[in-house]
Amino acid sequence: AQKVTQAQTEISVVEKEDVTLDCVYETRDTTYYLFWYKQPPSGELVFLIRRNSFDEQNEISGRYSWNFQKSTSSFNFTITASQVVDSAVYFCALSEAPGGSEKLVFGKGMKLTVNP
Amino acid sequence: GAGVSQSPSNKVTEKGKDVELRCDPISGHTALYWYRQRLGQGLEFLIYFQGNSAPDKSGLPSDRFSAERTGESVSTLTIQRTQQEDSAVYLCASSLATTDTQYFGPGTRLTVL
Repeated sequence: AQKVTQAQTEISVVEKEDVTLDCVYETRDTTYYLFWYKQPPSGELVFLIRRNSFDEQNEISGRYSWNFQKSTSSFNFTITASQVVDSAVYFCALSEAPGGSEKLVFGKGMKLTVNP
Repeated sequence: GAGVSQSPSNKVTEKGKDVELRCDPISGHTALYWYRQRLGQGLEFLIYFQGNSAPDKSGLPSDRFSAERTGESVSTLTIQRTQQEDSAVYLCASSLATTDTQYFGPGTRLTVL
């Protein structure tokens, strides 16, 4: 069975601090996809990144970076120089390969509060 | 272009009543998904559609829940004889195909009194 664990439930930082959000996943598939979504106070989930299991290269997008390590089944997300607008709940999610269940399996989310 | 839209944005109903929640996917997206988010929780998968058929209904919590999709477009999630435990935000997502990224709508907040 698939499972996504976000061990941190809530983090509070001061603006300009760096923060890393942890995500550990379980799957028996060799091909799968990993995602991060942001849910700001408005409630709408915003897609951040999708990564397939064959691509272990780290990715950087502006202040956001992702570290995918198959050896530890982790897909961690780092926000550099955090800003108040980064305050949101962040979800890590996993889906199986094509032909398997197409649903996303979500972690419970991590609430990030960035204080000015 | 327009994103996924859902209506109503909020619905308050009395226990035992039926409710219908609507989802309009992004134009051209063949796959459509329904999820439920209880307060302070992650998202639980309910059902997904490929075109108008639903290959995976495994997440529907009970036979009070049903969904349909017509014209490979709009989908309706129906909850019959609502219970208080049905109170949640119901989120709809669509993707170009089932292997592609899912884009979410704003959700319908359902409150059962």
